[in-house]
Amino acid sequence: DGGITQSPKYLFRKEGQNVTLSCEQNLNHDAMYWYRQDPGQGLRLIYYSQIVNDFQKGDIAEGYSVSREKKESFPLTVTSAQKNPTAFYLCASIPSGPLGGTQYFGPGTRLTVL
Amino acid sequence: GIQVEQSPPDLILQEGANSTLRCNFSDSVNNLQWFHQNPWGQLINLFYIPSGTKQNGRLSATTVATERYSLLYISSSQTTDSGVYFCAVVTTGFQKLVFGTGTRLLVSP
Repeated sequence: DGGITQSPKYLFRKEGQNVTLSCEQNLNHDAMYWYRQDPGQGLRLIYYSQIVNDFQKGDIAEGYSVSREKKESFPLTVTSAQKNPTAFYLCASIPSGPLGGTQYFGPGTRLTVL
Repeated sequence: GIQVEQSPPDLILQEGANSTLRCNFSDSVNNLQWFHQNPWGQLINLFYIPSGTKQNGRLSATTVATERYSLLYISSSQTTDSGVYFCAVVTTGFQKLVFGTGTRLLVSP
């Protein structure tokens, strides 16, 4: 089945550790996105990538890093520099083209810092 | 940047009731989407509707781009409709979604 997968579903991290969240899609979409959601809030954009080997900062990129070595994969690293990383993280992708189309979301990863 | 406001923030309905959710945005947009976030956090696409009206079963949506608002109608609500409804817009220029803060809907039996 085509879709977006994220792993792990739940992740616990000690303060000072870096962790990497996985996002994979088999929809052949060019553009991929990472969002952060805090309780009771909407989604805020962390990073996005429109093509392989290229990515741009979103609204809240500080303390995060990404890579886009393959079209299907867009992993997000939450570094120890991120002051308040406990949140729900969602990955998304969209077809290419000037207007793109519907954005599809993965099931999310809940990160808790202990 | 563009502002996206949703109303009401919270809504409680009896099963079978109808409701209208509103999304206002402050600037021209290329794209507008409505999503339903279920209790497990999964975001489900409801409509891709930069303008006009679309219907899908008990749900329909209308976007009036010139007046910068969109409406989501839920008819004959069911308990499974509970969750948070988000609208998100894409501004002109590139494919970045800006989300509203959502409407939290609870449908009771």
